[in-house]
Amino acid sequence: ETGVTQSPTHLIKTRGQQVTLRCSSQSGHNTVSWYQQALGQGPQFIFQYYREEENGRGNFPPRFSGLQYPNYSSELNVNALELDDSALYLCASSSETGVGYTFGSGTRLTVV
Amino acid sequence: QKEVEQDPGPLSVPEGAIVSLNCTYSNSAFQYFMWYRQYSRKGPELLMYTYSSGNKEDGRFTAQVDKSSKYISLFIRDSQPSDSATYLCAMTTFSGGYNKLIFGAGTRLAVHP
Repeated sequence: ETGVTQSPTHLIKTRGQQVTLRCSSQSGHNTVSWYQQALGQGPQFIFQYYREEENGRGNFPPRFSGLQYPNYSSELNVNALELDDSALYLCASSSETGVGYTFGSGTRLTVV
Repeated sequence: QKEVEQDPGPLSVPEGAIVSLNCTYSNSAFQYFMWYRQYSRKGPELLMYTYSSGNKEDGRFTAQVDKSSKYISLFIRDSQPSDSATYLCAMTTFSGGYNKLIFGAGTRLAVHP
């Protein structure tokens, strides 16, 4: 059984650019969520996808968007990058009845 | 005021000590309470979760939830250097497949030999 895998592990982008982060969910998990973790803080909920539909969103602007594919893998897209978007982006998957998430190791995004 | 408050530490203890980590929260609708461990440059790893009030034990770890006081705790017995990590509390209402976790800021723990 594989866990949650994310790519890339590190990324440096310039302010104003766009970025796409990718996530493969754990086998058997059909729900994917994305979290943003700033340095020294706990993860903040961005949004959740279930059966290819966004079914919940946190306090993030529309320039944060996502997709979930039929195989339950997912993408996080961020447009018009700002310096404050620099953070660790975590993907987490669970079954639809599961309470606990399995997290990936994250993508560390630096915006300069 | 944040929904979940957690002392960021750092907390430094000698090997073999009993460690107590705590969080308080304000939303009485939370039903599931979790503890995650996060090593440097890694994603959070679920240690254990508890539904509603009560205690749960798993090896050297014990989680306690007191909903009347809106207070949760994680105890680590016989702490080891390998327990050195950041410990995050998280909680959720978990309704209808929608599962938004609210995390504390995390407590950094260092266990020295």
